[in-house]
Amino acid sequence: ILNVEQSPQSLHVQEGDSTNFTCSFPSSNFYALHWYRWETAKSPEALFVMTLNGDEKKKGRISATLNTKEGYSYLYIKGSQPEDSATYLCAFKAAGNKLTFGGGTRVLVKP
Amino acid sequence: AAGVIQSPRHLIKEKRETATLKCYPIPRHDTVYWYQQGPGQDPQFLISFYEKMQSDKGSIPDRFSAQQFSDYHSELNMSSLELGDSALYFCASSPTRDRVSEQYFGPGTRLTVT
Repeated sequence: ILNVEQSPQSLHVQEGDSTNFTCSFPSSNFYALHWYRWETAKSPEALFVMTLNGDEKKKGRISATLNTKEGYSYLYIKGSQPEDSATYLCAFKAAGNKLTFGGGTRVLVKP
Repeated sequence: AAGVIQSPRHLIKEKRETATLKCYPIPRHDTVYWYQQGPGQDPQFLISFYEKMQSDKGSIPDRFSAQQFSDYHSELNMSSLELGDSALYFCASSPTRDRVSEQYFGPGTRLTVT
């Protein structure tokens, strides 16, 4: 059983503040690490797919880093806005197709 | 842009009945994945298909079966439904099955078993 953990489970952020949270995953048999953003009543939306140790990816104010040797990834949100409120899911892919999801970090940005 | 289509969006069934969920991937996507998310739980991978063949299998009960058809749409068949099958069922598609391929999720089918 693959163990993918995200912390914290939830986060309250003041509008304009920056924040970050963690996804930890097995450091062996690593294939890829996916980040998804999931808003209530919508389907998960892909943010990043990361494959190489040291990868850094950015999409607007959101960025992510990857450390496959120690088995963690950070997601950063710079200058949080209310529309960033969502659950952020990471998912680990070993060889094969299936993704193993973490429990998500629920982010609430307060105006 | 076209997205993944799932039907029906909501389904209510009684225990021991059967249900069929359908997924229409994004055009030119050849890989389809099914996930189950129970109340308050993480999405759990059920099964995936690549080019109409099963490519990976997760925690799919024996009462469930799935297939991918020649037009790449997929159906998840669920028999002898149990109360615990009540969940949100997501389908996702990707253009290839390689490791950098993002999965694009449909809106989900909410199944309620009474």
